[in-house]
Amino acid sequence: EIVLTQSPGTLSLSPGERATLSCRASQSVSSSYIAWYQQKPGQAPRLLMYVASRRATGIPDRFSGSGSGTDFTLTISRLEPEDFAVYFCQQYGSSPLTFGGGTKVEIK
Amino acid sequence: QVQLVESGGGVVQPGRSLRLSCAVSGFTFSDSALHWVRQAPGKGLEWVAAISYDGSNRYYADSVKGRFTISRDNSKNTLYLQMNSLRPEDTAVYYCASALLRYFDHWGQGTLVTVSS
Repeated sequence: EIVLTQSPGTLSLSPGERATLSCRASQSVSSSYIAWYQQKPGQAPRLLMYVASRRATGIPDRFSGSGSGTDFTLTISRLEPEDFAVYFCQQYGSSPLTFGGGTKVEIK
Repeated sequence: QVQLVESGGGVVQPGRSLRLSCAVSGFTFSDSALHWVRQAPGKGLEWVAAISYDGSNRYYADSVKGRFTISRDNSKNTLYLQMNSLRPEDTAVYYCASALLRYFDHWGQGTLVTVSS
């Protein structure tokens, strides 16, 4: 099973700042099959990125993803008020499907 | 508009059973693989089970294998999760989700299952 470790656990930033979230895998993720999700309190997760760097439909271009192998990054170039939420990475390159523990992006 | 609506959650005693349903609309149900993902209160996401578009292949997390059964009725556009021998650690919000290449593009709003005596 691939274990995904997200860091930091919490990121305290101000609107307009850049957010950099890390997702590290315990072994190489084939074909960069990493997805990122955003979850707000009381809501279901929402797909942001897939194949590490492709934005899902309707996701603004301030969100970008990168990485390969075992190290992946989600970057939010300039935080908008609606971006403060919890972010999860997920690998789908091997079974079982696994998620990281999440990074909370909170308002500083 | 894609919609996935879960139902069937509630409070159940340890060892008892519960069946969750997920009614789907807005896309071709019979073409889509479907999954259940759960989230314990205040915790992260855990993949639970998956079923292929035609129901011929089913996959389970080790934590639920032998206790949970995923199924679908393509004539009713509905996904199910039969949960037997429930344990307190099964307490979670259960989401159904559609999958493209095993990442989840649409999610339901979730249904809460609480296993407690």
